[in-house]
Amino acid sequence: DVKVTQSSRYLVKRTGEKVFLECVQDMDHENMFWYRQDPGLGLRLIYFSYDVKMKEKGDIPEGYSVSREKKERFSLILESASTNQTSMYLCASSLPRGTGSLPQHFGDGTRLSIL
Amino acid sequence: RKEVEQDPGPFNVPEGATVAFNCTYSNSASQSFFWYRQDCRKEPKLLMSVYSSGNEDGRFTAQLNRASQYISLLIRDSKLSDSATYLCAVGGGKLIFGQGTELSVKP
Repeated sequence: DVKVTQSSRYLVKRTGEKVFLECVQDMDHENMFWYRQDPGLGLRLIYFSYDVKMKEKGDIPEGYSVSREKKERFSLILESASTNQTSMYLCASSLPRGTGSLPQHFGDGTRLSIL
Repeated sequence: RKEVEQDPGPFNVPEGATVAFNCTYSNSASQSFFWYRQDCRKEPKLLMSVYSSGNEDGRFTAQLNRASQYISLLIRDSKLSDSATYLCAVGGGKLIFGQGTELSVKP
């Protein structure tokens, strides 16, 4: 089974703090993704990466950055946390398949509260 | 128009009922289709892929209609444990997720 591990299930931070969310997968997947999920808005893609050192903006990258120094690890960074970044953050990984997609496997999620 | 759309529900059904969800997509070039299940406050988990010829896994049947650009999920003989939110995902590089359809199965 694919295992995607996120560093924290629950996190509370203050506005203005720099926040790091870590994600590690153990299946040698090339593709990794960061989403946030909010009631009524569904899953929204923040950033994704198809390879080490590579990153692409998703639909809502503002206020976030990412780092992929190793294949198994994909970090999401909130540069200066704001209250509107309070959300459930989900990391996912998948294998690539040409121009199509293989299914993504999700971590447990991090419930982040910004006070 | 959203790229992927689902009826948000909730669908309230009795145990043993058959329930069907649809998911429409706008990109005719989409190549990959999936159904996920998400329990309250948990992460989405892959339920099944959707293949062109349709596929079945126990009580669950998934179908793809490329001409009308939708996928469907049929759940037969609903169980209490089927209560969850069902998300469709459509891809051609990235996956685009629907907002999910909430299902509540009652005794």
